[in-house]
Amino acid sequence: GIQVEQSPPDLILQEGANSTLRCNFSDSVNNLQWFHQNPWGQLINLFYIPSGTKQNGRLSATTVATERYSLLYISSSQTTDSGVYFCAELNTGNQFYFGTGTSLTVIP
Amino acid sequence: DVKVTQSSRYLVKRTGEKVFLECVQDMDHENMFWYRQDPGLGLRLIYFSYDVKMKEKGDIPEGYSVSREKKERFSLILESASTNQTSMYLCASSWLPSYEQYFGPGTRLTVT
Repeated sequence: GIQVEQSPPDLILQEGANSTLRCNFSDSVNNLQWFHQNPWGQLINLFYIPSGTKQNGRLSATTVATERYSLLYISSSQTTDSGVYFCAELNTGNQFYFGTGTSLTVIP
Repeated sequence: DVKVTQSSRYLVKRTGEKVFLECVQDMDHENMFWYRQDPGLGLRLIYFSYDVKMKEKGDIPEGYSVSREKKERFSLILESASTNQTSMYLCASSWLPSYEQYFGPGTRLTVT
């Protein structure tokens, strides 16, 4: 299956700071998604972004499919941004492969 | 909004019991998935289904079976629960052609 590498594994931010999370893929990128897992375990869709750039409020994402990576930007972070961020990609067998996540803690 | 619901948020079962976890989606999605999530191991695919009565094994199907009799419902069955099946179970659905996945709230299963 696809190898998905996320960095950094852990991140601690002061409220109001900006951050960049990264996903690298071992194979082609065609159906990339970013998720946020809140402290209760729910996985929330952030972006479906196989290529290009999308923005949603303080969050934006960029995927460079030709170089097999994607970036998630969080600006002006808030305590409610805390949780684990996952990226995932679909392989040819219709299976999504997830990275091991970036655990973000935003402190007031 | 897409809604994926799971039958229980928390479940405690005894070793050897038969366990049913149910997932229902309300958006007529073709694809449905069952994952388990464990610390340090991330999300791993157990089974998925791309149509009614169709199923495909994921990466870790051993000890599990699934049932999809109706398009909106996908059940995960632990035939004889074991302590190593204590985990968070997440259901997801997606539609063609985008494959964008939507997750349910998860079921934390403890097997004692």
